[in-house]
Amino acid sequence: NAGVTQTPKFQVLKTGQSMTLQCAQDMNHNSMYWYRQDPGMGLRLIYYSASEGTTDKGEVPNGYNVSRLNKREFSLRLESAAPSQTSVYFCASKDTATGVITEAFFGQGTRLTVV
Amino acid sequence: GDSVTQMEGPVTLSEEAFLTINCTYTATGYPSLFWYVQYPGEGLQLLLKATKADDKGSNKGFEATYRKETTSFHLEKGSVQVSDSAVYFCALRPQNFNKFYFGSGTKLNVKP
Repeated sequence: NAGVTQTPKFQVLKTGQSMTLQCAQDMNHNSMYWYRQDPGMGLRLIYYSASEGTTDKGEVPNGYNVSRLNKREFSLRLESAAPSQTSVYFCASKDTATGVITEAFFGQGTRLTVV
Repeated sequence: GDSVTQMEGPVTLSEEAFLTINCTYTATGYPSLFWYVQYPGEGLQLLLKATKADDKGSNKGFEATYRKETTSFHLEKGSVQVSDSAVYFCALRPQNFNKFYFGSGTKLNVKP
């Protein structure tokens, strides 16, 4: 079971460069999420997608864009990277179709450094 | 708004010591509550959950009870092991919403 797969695992960018973080899940989940993890601040929600074709802002969306390409894939794009975006990024997915209260499943994370 | 507050770390214990990590929450209605664990270099994994008041979640010797009256979901383990060293996150899913709110995480170091 692959679960939630993120690529790349590590990335170094120069200020002003752009890049896309990829996320795919094979659990047929409706909802997908992007979080960033910073020391002492836990996980903060950047964007989420309740279902294919919909996206919504979370707590810290500035500087990011997302695309829910299909049910499996949810990408996060940094158009012009800034040092403040140095962080560990986690993608997660959740089953919302059954009505049962379930947990979110997380990917392994992408460690991004902007210099 | 909805939020989670958990005790700051790091927490350092000797093997076989008793563990408590405090977690309190703010939310309307009846949220679902979760504890996640993150081992070094890995993503978050669900440790346990509770979906209604007075429920007790348990897994791998860890327990937490959903206390509506004190808005708390404290994590406990009777005897920790070195392999329990990790960062623990308390999380909340508001009633009728499919978003999660996480605490800041508590790092646990267990020494032999």
